[in-house]
Amino acid sequence: AQTVTQSQPEMSVQEAETVTLSCTYDTSESDYYLFWYKQPPSRQMILVIRQEAYKQQNATENRFSVNFQKAAKSFSLKISDSQLGDAAMYFCAYRSPGESQGNLIFGKGTKLSVKP
Amino acid sequence: DVKVTQSSRYLVKRTGEKVFLECVQDMDHENMFWYRQDPGLGLRLIYFSYDVKMKEKGDIPEGYSVSREKKERFSLILESASTNQTSMYLCASSFPGHRETQYFGPGTRLLVL
Repeated sequence: AQTVTQSQPEMSVQEAETVTLSCTYDTSESDYYLFWYKQPPSRQMILVIRQEAYKQQNATENRFSVNFQKAAKSFSLKISDSQLGDAAMYFCAYRSPGESQGNLIFGKGTKLSVKP
Repeated sequence: DVKVTQSSRYLVKRTGEKVFLECVQDMDHENMFWYRQDPGLGLRLIYFSYDVKMKEKGDIPEGYSVSREKKERFSLILESASTNQTSMYLCASSFPGHRETQYFGPGTRLLVL
């Protein structure tokens, strides 16, 4: 069974600085999808970024980018120019291509604090 | 914009009560999901549904049941609430397929006394 591990329960970053959140996963499949979701305090969870395993190029969305290392089964999220609004729980998630219904496997989350 | 709504943000119930958590989505999504979120455990899938009247067990279905009578509505039922079901419950929906994004509701924080 696939597993997703986020080894940093909490992280802190100074406003305008860069922070990297770690995620590793375990799978025997060669094709899959990886996601980072953001859950602000008392607000809805939203998708931050998505990566297809067959793509070598790392996904980017504005200030958010990933470092996808397929051989190492690592999928870290880099937030550049951190803003106060980036403070949230961040969840890494995995989806198997065999999961046609779209089931996600989530990590336990990393709580990111942003200091002004 | 996709909208996923949940009937209550906060709910307090007593042990043994029957509890209904409702989720409605307005994007004609086939798939709907119920997750439970606990500190230090992340999100765990309780049940999901890929069509009206269809349901599949997730990782932690014990103590829960679901109902999907209409495409837009997916209900989570706690037949006899227990204190260990105190948690945050998140509903999500998506189109079928592993490339599709799941959209989440705001969550229901349930306290069982």
